[in-house]
Amino acid sequence: QVQLQESGPGLVKPSQTLSLTCTVSGASLSDGSFYWTWIRQPAGKGLEWLGRIYITGYTNYNPSLKSRVTISVDTSKNQFSLRLSSVTAADTAVYYCARGYYYDSNNYFDYWGQGSLVTVSS
Amino acid sequence: QSVLTQPPAVSGAPGHGVTISCTGSSSNIGSGYDVHWYQQRPGTAPKLLIYGNNNRPSGVPDRFSGSKSGTSASLAITGLRAEDEADYYCQSYDTSLSGLYVFGTGTKVTVL
Repeated sequence: QVQLQESGPGLVKPSQTLSLTCTVSGASLSDGSFYWTWIRQPAGKGLEWLGRIYITGYTNYNPSLKSRVTISVDTSKNQFSLRLSSVTAADTAVYYCARGYYYDSNNYFDYWGQGSLVTVSS
Repeated sequence: QSVLTQPPAVSGAPGHGVTISCTGSSSNIGSGYDVHWYQQRPGTAPKLLIYGNNNRPSGVPDRFSGSKSGTSASLAITGLRAEDEADYYCQSYDTSLSGLYVFGTGTKVTVL
């Protein structure tokens, strides 16, 4: 059974860097069929795709965040991570990691973590 | 602001059906990219409901079905049950600068 679990600080100060890690069990990050993805959801609002990483280290990011977001992978720990720099209150959200099945430019997210609430506040 | 537009809310009585629309454009659904649907119950992570326009993952009841035509897609729920009360999101690939993979604005389904 595939499981994803986010971990990281729940409170980040403005202008600092948000860091989250997603630990995957029941599947290998080295499986070439999948991209490993971060998605966020502000309270009471919709879902926003942040970016993804492939096992080779190849990444794609949301253009609206591209200059601030970095996704990396650690295959030895079967983990991938999100870093979002220069955060503001607008970055307060529940952050989800998810597994994305990729085909012909399409990508759907079949397994999700439970979500990690990150609040940006001084 | 999402490039995929959904009605904010729909409702139906138990046993009845509802349909949720997802309107896109030529940079996403209209270019032939597939639409996927997710169900999100309060306080939980989204769950994949439909993938590739009309395919149900194992365990998803056949009361849920998806379709796509032109620049739009739809999710139909028949035989409404109390447990179907949730938010529903469509998702697709987009070739504009909106973010590569985009979600719909979301629809709240209420079972009366």
